Amino acid sequence: AAGVIQSPRHLIKEKRETATLKCYPIPRHDTVYWYQQGPGQDPQFLISFYEKMQSDKGSIPDRFSAQQFSDYHSELNMSSLELGDSALYFCASSGASGYYEQYFGPGTRLTVT
Amino acid sequence: SQQGEEDPQALSIQEGENATMNCSYKTSINNLQWYRQNSGRGLVHLILIRSNEREKHSGRLRVTLDTSKKSSSLLITASRAADTASYFCARGDTGRRALTFGSGTRLQVQP
Repeated sequence: AAGVIQSPRHLIKEKRETATLKCYPIPRHDTVYWYQQGPGQDPQFLISFYEKMQSDKGSIPDRFSAQQFSDYHSELNMSSLELGDSALYFCASSGASGYYEQYFGPGTRLTVT
Repeated sequence: SQQGEEDPQALSIQEGENATMNCSYKTSINNLQWYRQNSGRGLVHLILIRSNEREKHSGRLRVTLDTSKKSSSLLITASRAADTASYFCARGDTGRRALTFGSGTRLQVQP
């Protein structure tokens, strides 16, 4: 079965640079979520999109923005990167069923130096 | 804490033994989901239990939910070395699709 695809899998950036992470949800899933997991931490919800509209917002810094495109893929744009942004960034998707099982991609490991 | 708590934080058992992990929360939930994560890897969905359900099974996994006590437990029976991982509960609050994760339990199964 098709899973959530994320790219790139690894990314190294310097402070103050920008980064763009991409997510391709499971086919026919209408909702995409972004989570951040720092070293030794639990995943923290950043933002979600339902049918290309922002549906919920968590602890996403103002330096970050995201959008969902007409083909349902989503991109997380991160600017003015800081050392503390180094983390695993997960994308998850869920379908239209009532209880919203979320299926996670493999993650993008971002290292800011 | 709004995140909820999991206990124990770490658990070490022998192969063949059962492992029980607990999750508590403070909010009103629509569902609660359990995930497994191998070190530095992705989150694998294990089970979703709805707020109107009390117990669910999947293979060697058994999840219970007590909404009156705002707690859930994950039982892994007849554990294997391959079950070594971190296990997270994640709650879906009422009216919200996003998940709030607990702090996780690190399970070590000794062969």
